[in-house]
Amino acid sequence: AQSVAQPEDQVNVAEGNPLTVKCTYSVSGNPYLFWYVQYPNRGLQFLLKYITGDNLVKGSYGFEAEFNKSQTSFHLKKPSALVSDSALYFCAVRDRENTGFQKLVFGTGTRLLVSP
Amino acid sequence: GAGVSQSPSNKVTEKGKDVELRCDPISGHTALYWYRQSLGQGLEFLIYFQGNSAPDKSGLPSDRFSAERTGGSVSTLTIQRTQQEDSAVYLCASSLELLGTETQYFGPGTRLLVL
Repeated sequence: AQSVAQPEDQVNVAEGNPLTVKCTYSVSGNPYLFWYVQYPNRGLQFLLKYITGDNLVKGSYGFEAEFNKSQTSFHLKKPSALVSDSALYFCAVRDRENTGFQKLVFGTGTRLLVSP
Repeated sequence: GAGVSQSPSNKVTEKGKDVELRCDPISGHTALYWYRQSLGQGLEFLIYFQGNSAPDKSGLPSDRFSAERTGGSVSTLTIQRTQQEDSAVYLCASSLELLGTETQYFGPGTRLLVL
């Protein structure tokens, strides 16, 4: 079975500092990995995804994530945080080998709070 | 172009009533998903439609939940005899699903409150 762990319920960072939101995953085969962001009372917005190829994936709003197969991780990063980045972030995985399972399995979410 | 739309945006109902939630996917997207976001439960998959194939209903929590997708486009999620534990945000997503790598794009959700 697929699973995603986001070990931190909340991450606090000062504006201008780098941020990292952690994600580890478990799948039987090779993964497709996604990051989404949710602002208050809004749906999920796609940030970036890893399918294959370069382990460093760049996405929207200056975010990037690094796929690390040996550590089964896909941490979200940004070099310089903005107050407007404050939101709820979800990591999700899909099992590439099991084409019958098209659903995304989500982590429990990490709330990012960027202070001015 | 237009994104995924959902209606209503908010729904308050009494326990035991039936509710219908609607999702309009992005035009041309063949796959449609329903997820539920509950406090303390995170995001959970409910049901998946792909083209004319039989839907994957493996995530539906009980037989009070059902969904249909008419003409390969609009979908309706129906909850019969609502219970207080059904209170949640119901999210719809759509994708192209040609290669299995496509991104799911989410609507704004319907916030359901069962009193």
